[in-house]
Amino acid sequence: AQSVAQPEDQVNVAEGNPLTVKCTYSVSGNPYLFWYVQYPNRGLQFLLKYITGDNLVKGSYGFEAEFNKSQTSFHLKKPSALVSDSALYFCAAPSYNTDKLIFGTGTRLQVFP
Amino acid sequence: DAGVIQSPRHEVTEMGQEVTLRCKPISGHNSLFWYRQTMMRGLELLIYFNNNVPIDDSGMPEDRFSAKMPNASFSTLKIQPSEPRDSAVYFCASSPSTYEQYFGPGTRLTVT
Repeated sequence: AQSVAQPEDQVNVAEGNPLTVKCTYSVSGNPYLFWYVQYPNRGLQFLLKYITGDNLVKGSYGFEAEFNKSQTSFHLKKPSALVSDSALYFCAAPSYNTDKLIFGTGTRLQVFP
Repeated sequence: DAGVIQSPRHEVTEMGQEVTLRCKPISGHNSLFWYRQTMMRGLELLIYFNNNVPIDDSGMPEDRFSAKMPNASFSTLKIQPSEPRDSAVYFCASSPSTYEQYFGPGTRLTVT
């Protein structure tokens, strides 16, 4: 069965420092992978996706993600964190042969001034 | 485009009452999803439609929950009768069939 895992419930980082939010996947076939962000009292927003091609995917708000097939990972990164990046981040992958997305449990990112 | 529209944004009701949540998807999107989010259970998919047809309702908790999509621009999620454990934020999302889902702002339901 398709699945994604986010091993960290929370990540804390100081403003200006690089950040990484981890995601590993277990999917059959070529993986499609997504990152979403949820700000307080808002719905989830699409950040970026990997379909095929370059292993480094660039997305909204300066975020990027690195697809690593050998480690089955798709970690979200940003070179310099902002306090406004503080939010809940979800990794996701399509369920096999359906339109559904399987979401990870979410990682809360806290950026301190 | 206004994005996915949900109403009401907040609903407070008493146990046993009927609750109806509404969703207007983005025009041209042919898939619609209903999710529930709580601290305890996280984000759960309740049901999804493709071209107005329910495809997978395996996440619907029990018979008290029902969802309809009478046309491409409107869907409802109904809870009858409501119970305190139904308190959650309910999200509607739509997709143009590229797996990218666009979420509405959610309806915060409180059942007392």
